[in-house]
Amino acid sequence: DVKVTQSSRYLVKRTGEKVFLECVQDMDHENMFWYRQDPGLGLRLIYFSYDVKMKEKGDIPEGYSVSREKKERFSLILESASTNQTSMYLCASSPRTGYTFGSGTRLTVV
Amino acid sequence: KNEVEQSPQNLTAQEGEFITINCSYSVGISALHWLQQHPGGGIVSLFMLSSGKKKHGRLIATINIQEKHSSLHITASHPRDSAVYICAVLLNDYKLSFGAGTTVTVRA
Repeated sequence: DVKVTQSSRYLVKRTGEKVFLECVQDMDHENMFWYRQDPGLGLRLIYFSYDVKMKEKGDIPEGYSVSREKKERFSLILESASTNQTSMYLCASSPRTGYTFGSGTRLTVV
Repeated sequence: KNEVEQSPQNLTAQEGEFITINCSYSVGISALHWLQQHPGGGIVSLFMLSSGKKKHGRLIATINIQEKHSSLHITASHPRDSAVYICAVLLNDYKLSFGAGTTVTVRA
């Protein structure tokens, strides 16, 4: 079975902390994505990467950065966590078409 | 206006009933996904469609490209089908645009 694995299911962090969310895929997919999901707003694209060391801003990149040093791993970084970044974060990967999603990380910033 | 509109927003059914969820979109697409999310869970891709119809178990998905419309049907619904169902359209090689989701509750 193909897999997208997110390192943490639940995280609680303090305001101002630097937070790393990790995502690993085992399908050799070119494209990887980070989304956040909020009630009433649905899924919104934060960043995506179409190749190693390549990244593009999505719809809501403010307050986030990403890193893709290896093809299988795509990290989302919150440089200084804030309470408005409390959300469900979903990683996904895809070849040209077809998506596989991770199980999600529910991040709470207190 | 959202590029992807789903209806209904919420749906409650009795076990065994036939369920239909609709998705309309306003842009050109290369494919359409139906996704399932159980409470507190991650997202599972049920179908990817670019034309016609697909069936998997009790789930059937159809798409009419000319009318820019897709439907997801659940036959003989079961309480384990209770979830949020999300329609998402693939706008180009990578970008998905999501509907707001339909919350389905199936009562025993």
